This record gives sequence, structure tokens and C-alpha cells, in this order.
Amino acid sequence: GENVEQHPSTLSVQEGDSAVIKCTYSDSASNYFPWYKQELGKRPQLIIDIRSNVGEKKDQRIAVTLNKTAKHFSLHITETQPEDSAVYFCAASKGPPTDKLIFGTGTRLQVFP
Amino acid sequence: GAVVSQHPSRVICKSGTSVKIECRSLDFQATTMFWYRQFPKQSLMLMATSNEGSKATYEQGVEKDKFLINHASLTLSTLTVTSAHPEDSSFYICSARDVRGGKNIQYFGAGTRLSVL
Repeated sequence: GENVEQHPSTLSVQEGDSAVIKCTYSDSASNYFPWYKQELGKRPQLIIDIRSNVGEKKDQRIAVTLNKTAKHFSLHITETQPEDSAVYFCAASKGPPTDKLIFGTGTRLQVFP
Repeated sequence: GAVVSQHPSRVICKSGTSVKIECRSLDFQATTMFWYRQFPKQSLMLMATSNEGSKATYEQGVEKDKFLINHASLTLSTLTVTSAHPEDSSFYICSARDVRGGKNIQYFGAGTRLSVL
């Protein structure tokens, strides 16, 4: 079945630096790739997503890139702030009819002031 | 974004009892909802897909008689953990699929922390 690998598992950066998290998926039929941010004890929150017909998407300080050939996608956070500290999960989906998301293992990001 | 409500947020029960968890989409209709289990410091593991008006689809290794799912309306799915045991203690999270306006996004509930004594 589909497998999503995520690296690194932990990432520590200084406030203002950039952070990059990478994911690789196994099923070439996957066509939707969301990123979720989960703070301790809270629900996962969708922060950005990308579909397979697009190579890059940006929303203020966050961006996602997709390389379909290599089957990997990355989250980029610029000008990091302490409030960016959380666990970030990537996911992949093949879309209808199942629409189920297969999640990566998560990256714990710590931004130090 | 859309709002998904999950109740209760925390349950402590004795071994052998059954626990029901509710997942509601508050401002949209969701024909499809999903139930996940999350262990401490680990990822979200999909347990089953809940389909309104039909049987749930369970992932491999998930006991359907243990984790009963009912999706009787377009805004409510329930997960019942039957005869709960300490190994069932976990964080259970639901999500609902929002397809309004052609989008296809999953929004998550706040989760239910189940502790079985």
C-alpha cells in the first residue's frame, strides 16, 4: 500500500531562519498532498496543500514544492517564529473514491527565540 | 476553514465498558468522515472510513467488531469502542471531508483521549 516517509523527525532552528521538511511517497497515483500542523494536545490544522497539477504553492511564509517524477514534496517555512513550533505532518492521497490520507511520521519543529 | 466538533474530549473508563465518541461537522455536510488513532509522539493511523448511509471501510488490522462506526446522518459519525481494555487507551481523532465549492479537504476534530483502567 501507500507509504509516506518524512524527514527529519526533529528540527531545531533559530528564530528568523528557514525550515525545510521533506516527504517521499510511494504510490505514483497520489495526487493530493496536504501539510498539517499539530500543537501539543490539539487537532491537526491544515496549513497548506498542493495538487499534482501544480509544482509549487506559496502562502505568506510557507510554501510547498512537489516533484512528481521523484515522488517527493517539501514544506518550506521562512522567517520562522517561536509560534511555528509544533509537529508537522505531511500526507498523500489518491483522491476519490477513497480520499483517505496516508500520513508521514511527523517532524517536531522547535524555533528558539 | 470548516468546523468539526468531537466529543467527549476526555474519557476515563473501566475495563470492559463501551465508550462512544461523536464527530460532528458543524457548518457543512460530510458524506465521508475518517477515524484515526494516534499514539504519543507518533503519526495518525487511519482506522476506518465512515460513509453516510453505508458500512464503514476498515483498514487492515482494525477489528470492526471492536470499533463500531455509525454514520447515520450527513453531519454525524460515531465510533464506539466496545469492551474497552487498557491497550485501547489512545488519542482518537476524527476528520470530515469538505467538498463544498469543488474542494476536497479534511478538517479534524479536537480528538478524544481515552484512558481505560
